[in-house]
Amino acid sequence: QVQLQESGPGLVKPSQTLSLTCTVSGGSISSGSYYWSWIRQPAGKGLEWIGRIYTSGSTNYNPSLKSRVTISVDTSKNQFSLKLSSVTAADTAVYYCAREGSYSNYAIDYWGQGTLVTVSS
Amino acid sequence: IQLTQSPSFLSASVGDRVTITCRASQGISSYLAWYQQKPGKAPKLLIYAASTLQSGVPSRFSGSGSGTEFTLTISSLQPEDFATYYCQQLNSYPLFGGGTKVEIK
Repeated sequence: QVQLQESGPGLVKPSQTLSLTCTVSGGSISSGSYYWSWIRQPAGKGLEWIGRIYTSGSTNYNPSLKSRVTISVDTSKNQFSLKLSSVTAADTAVYYCAREGSYSNYAIDYWGQGTLVTVSS
Repeated sequence: IQLTQSPSFLSASVGDRVTITCRASQGISSYLAWYQQKPGKAPKLLIYAASTLQSGVPSRFSGSGSGTEFTLTISSLQPEDFATYYCQQLNSYPLFGGGTKVEIK
């Protein structure tokens, strides 16, 4: 059973860079046809897809966030990471890491539990 | 591509048949998924490829549609089904609909 766990600071100052890591257990991040993704959800609002990375290193980003987002993968640690630069209060949200599988047209079949990141001075 | 879910809020009783609609601003073939989210929890995949039930999901959930109009149907609403439901298009970059909250009548 694949499990994903987000980790990183829960508080980030405005204009700084938000950094989160997702650790994958129960399977190798390098095996299979999967994308590894980040999604966020502001309190009381809907879901926003941020971006994803394939194990080859190829990435796709939400056009509205593309200029500020970097997603990377560390296969040796079975982890992938999110960096979001120049954050503002609008970036305050629960951030989820997730897996998208080719078998499901890349729908998200596994999610982390989510981690709240607050942007505040 | 934009996704519009309707209704945004739905009040229903246990045993009711419930239908949620998701409309895409342009054709996305069958590249659509549905998720259920309960408060404080991560979403759960219910249906992918518009009509394929994810493993372990009860058969009272079904999906249909292709192109620009899709529906999620719960044939007989159960107490554990009160939640928020999201559609997601998978044709280009993934995009979620605005959500439909299903509450107890």
